[in-house]
Amino acid sequence: QSVLTQPPSVSGAPGQRVTISCTGSSSNIGAGYDVHWYQQLPGTAPKLLIYGNRNRPSGVPDRFSGSKSGTSASLAITGLQAGDEADYYCQSYDSSLSGWVFGGGTKLTVL
Amino acid sequence: EVQLLESGGGFVQPGGSLRLSCAASGFTFSSYAMTWVRQAPGKGLEWVSIISGSGGTTYYADSVRGRFTISRDNSKNTLYLQMNSLRAEDTAVYYCAKAPIAVAGTGEFDYWGQGTLVTVSS
Repeated sequence: QSVLTQPPSVSGAPGQRVTISCTGSSSNIGAGYDVHWYQQLPGTAPKLLIYGNRNRPSGVPDRFSGSKSGTSASLAITGLQAGDEADYYCQSYDSSLSGWVFGGGTKLTVL
Repeated sequence: EVQLLESGGGFVQPGGSLRLSCAASGFTFSSYAMTWVRQAPGKGLEWVSIISGSGGTTYYADSVRGRFTISRDNSKNTLYLQMNSLRAEDTAVYYCAKAPIAVAGTGEFDYWGQGTLVTVSS
């Protein structure tokens, strides 16, 4: 059971918008620690998608956006493309565990 | 271009040991903290350990503390993970990843290697 909670799966048609939630607690997201998002395409290593709650590394399309409020964060993907099919993970830091924590991952299916 | 190349994975019996390596290039290795993250087959990501750029500070997940040791050789641009007393539940792909700062911090990991598979089984 992951410290950060994500829905196991989400889906959407090409061109649509989907959101993936990440729920934490007062020892991680709620304590003010930043949330980061990773994209893991099938058979590949994770790739940093969003850092510091809402910032995109160079090369990440602006179709991907992040937000954070209270003890939760969200990743939004607009203009869905077939190539967006992947597992998405949120990550933060937990002061009670004194370590980095990940969500369980969300599998995005483009219908 | 940042490149991280893990090696050293393989098949080991429970109770055995293994040392993973991660060869880094494309950046000033000693200026950045480095971490290990693992992923059991079909499962999610689990943070394992992190080491500061100087090597002077290390942290471990509870699941590996006392059994795993992270280290680095900045003269060889290489990160290591010594894994002892291995258990079946340590079976996973082990990724090395780079932090964007020298200290362990609390932030993200901006570049990842392709991973190396460790299988612990009798």
